Amino acid sequence: GNSVTQMEGPVTLSEEAFLTINCTYTATGYPSLFWYVQYPGEGLQLLLKATKADDKGSNKGFEATYRKETTSFHLEKGSVQVSDSAVYFCALSARGGSEKLVFGKGTKLTVNP
Amino acid sequence: GAVVSQHPSRVICKSGTSVKIECRSLDFQATTMFWYRQFPKKSLMLMATSNEGSKATYEQGVEKDKFLINHASLTLSTLTVTSAHPEDSSFYICSAEPGRSTDTQYFGPGTRLTVL
Repeated sequence: GNSVTQMEGPVTLSEEAFLTINCTYTATGYPSLFWYVQYPGEGLQLLLKATKADDKGSNKGFEATYRKETTSFHLEKGSVQVSDSAVYFCALSARGGSEKLVFGKGTKLTVNP
Repeated sequence: GAVVSQHPSRVICKSGTSVKIECRSLDFQATTMFWYRQFPKKSLMLMATSNEGSKATYEQGVEKDKFLINHASLTLSTLTVTSAHPEDSSFYICSAEPGRSTDTQYFGPGTRLTVL
């Protein structure tokens, strides 16, 4: 079946540090890939997504590239801010519409000033 | 756009009582809504998929008689936890998928249920 594996947290960085959160997936076919972010006390928000191989999703300085050859969708940001502190979830959905999302376990990021 | 609300945000109830949680899409019509449960330090677990006007599809291991889902309109789905017990205490999150979108879900802020 479909599954997502993302790096265990928590991750603690200083402001302006470089961020990488690894995510790999197992899926049949060609899924769409997502990163969701959950700020403290809030619901999940879509951060970025990619729907086919070699696509790069980007938003708020975050980027992730859909790598079919390595079945990966690693999240990166060149310079994190305190406001980026949150839990980040990698997820996939199979093609075809109205398909359920399969989530990774989440990675908690804390950015210190 | 694409705002999903949940009510209540937090509820405390006694064991044996039933609790209803509402999920609304505020600015779009949602043909499909999803209900998740999130345990501390764990990922979201999909409980059921709710399609407007039809019965919900429950994931394996989820008791449909305990977690009643109703999707009576294109903007509202409800989850009722019947005869709640302390082990049902959790964070329940809904999401909604716009009818024209193929794979993007918009999430509500979640409901913290505590059963005493």
